[in-house]
Amino acid sequence: DAGVTQSPTHLIKTRGQQVTLRCSPISGHKSVSWYQQVLGQGPQFIFQYYEKEERGRGNFPDRFSARQFPNYSSELNVNALLLGDSALYLCASSLVPGSNEKLFFGSGTQLSVL
Amino acid sequence: EDQVTQSPEALRLQEGESSSLNCSYTVSGLRGLFWYRQDPGKGPEFLFTLYSAGEEKEKERLKATLTKKESFLHITAPKPEDSATYLCAVQAAGANSKLTFGKGITLSVRP
Repeated sequence: DAGVTQSPTHLIKTRGQQVTLRCSPISGHKSVSWYQQVLGQGPQFIFQYYEKEERGRGNFPDRFSARQFPNYSSELNVNALLLGDSALYLCASSLVPGSNEKLFFGSGTQLSVL
Repeated sequence: EDQVTQSPEALRLQEGESSSLNCSYTVSGLRGLFWYRQDPGKGPEFLFTLYSAGEEKEKERLKATLTKKESFLHITAPKPEDSATYLCAVQAAGANSKLTFGKGITLSVRP
């Protein structure tokens, strides 16, 4: 079975641009979470979606938004990019939220903002 | 606010030299404590989940333990392939599965 897949793997943008990152969860998983990992730091929670509804939001500005589709895949959008948005963006999937189910992570999208 | 502190930041071991990685945490209602391994440029790979104080889990050369304030990841006779960053995370009781991570411990094992 395929794991969590993310696209693209690498992306280079300039300040002020907008970016869309995509994630497909493990088959059968209905919950998708997004994390930002800056170099040298642990992943930081951005969003969680379940059944197309937002179930949690981390401490990120409104420039960050996300959505989940009927097939449980998800997109993360970031508007008005800043240099500080350069990071590895990780998607994780799980069966259901609010349980102690472990999260399975994809390999991430490396975003560089110039 | 949930907090996770890992120490040391980096650890260099000789092959076969056993050691322990520390994870201190504060959380309102622990649902689970997770250990992940992360290789450069990759996503975290799940290792263990611990749910209550006194619990222990083992996998090959790794053993994770949990107290009410700390978790330890013990590495016995490490090999160069164990070199990676080890992340500790806590999950609090609530409606979502949000994990709060520490900064990680970078382990290097020399042959």
